[in-house]
Amino acid sequence: SYELTQPLSVSVALGQTARITCGGDKIGSKNVHWYQQKPGQAPVVVISRNNKRPSGIPERFSGSNSGNTATLSISRAQAGDEADYYCQVWDSSTGYVFGTGTKVTVL
Amino acid sequence: QVQLVESGGGVVQPGRSLRLSCAASGFIFSKYAMHWVRQAPGKGLEWVAVISYDGINKYYADSVKGRFTISRDNSKNTMSLQMDSLRPDDTAVYSCARSIAVAEPEDYWGQGTLVTVSS
Repeated sequence: SYELTQPLSVSVALGQTARITCGGDKIGSKNVHWYQQKPGQAPVVVISRNNKRPSGIPERFSGSNSGNTATLSISRAQAGDEADYYCQVWDSSTGYVFGTGTKVTVL
Repeated sequence: QVQLVESGGGVVQPGRSLRLSCAASGFIFSKYAMHWVRQAPGKGLEWVAVISYDGINKYYADSVKGRFTISRDNSKNTMSLQMDSLRPDDTAVYSCARSIAVAEPEDYWGQGTLVTVSS
């Protein structure tokens, strides 16, 4: 089965850039989606198809994907960005897979 | 507005069955793929299954394959998840979600229904 590995936690200073990685075998050949989930709330897509921002998502959120690593970047981090973040890919043999999740803390 | 409301959760003994439902409103249900995603208490998201807009294509996570069955009724704007041979590690909040196609991200989610598998 296909597996996606994320760091358990990432800390970022207020106003700085947070980078969350998502590792998977040849993930660069797949479309990666990123979700933000705040406590008690449903997940929200912040990046789709590697680097597309859905309507309403700030430009501060961006994504990249190459080789065995996809990355979600959050620039000018704000307190409201504190949340769990999950990457997700579609694999034709195993369906959808979520990453292990990363807790982002803004200091 | 888009609404997805899950029902059918509860406490069930290991090995027994449970059927979850998802009632959709506020959008053209028959044009969207529908997913089930679960989250165990304090744990991460786990995708469970997806069904295409027309009900023809279905995909399952390895952890539920052969035990869970996803279905939909476009005439009633509902989707279901039949869960058989339940195990304690199936305990989670189960949420339904929609996407414009099977391999596209989920853009709306329900609030979920809790399934507890325990003797």
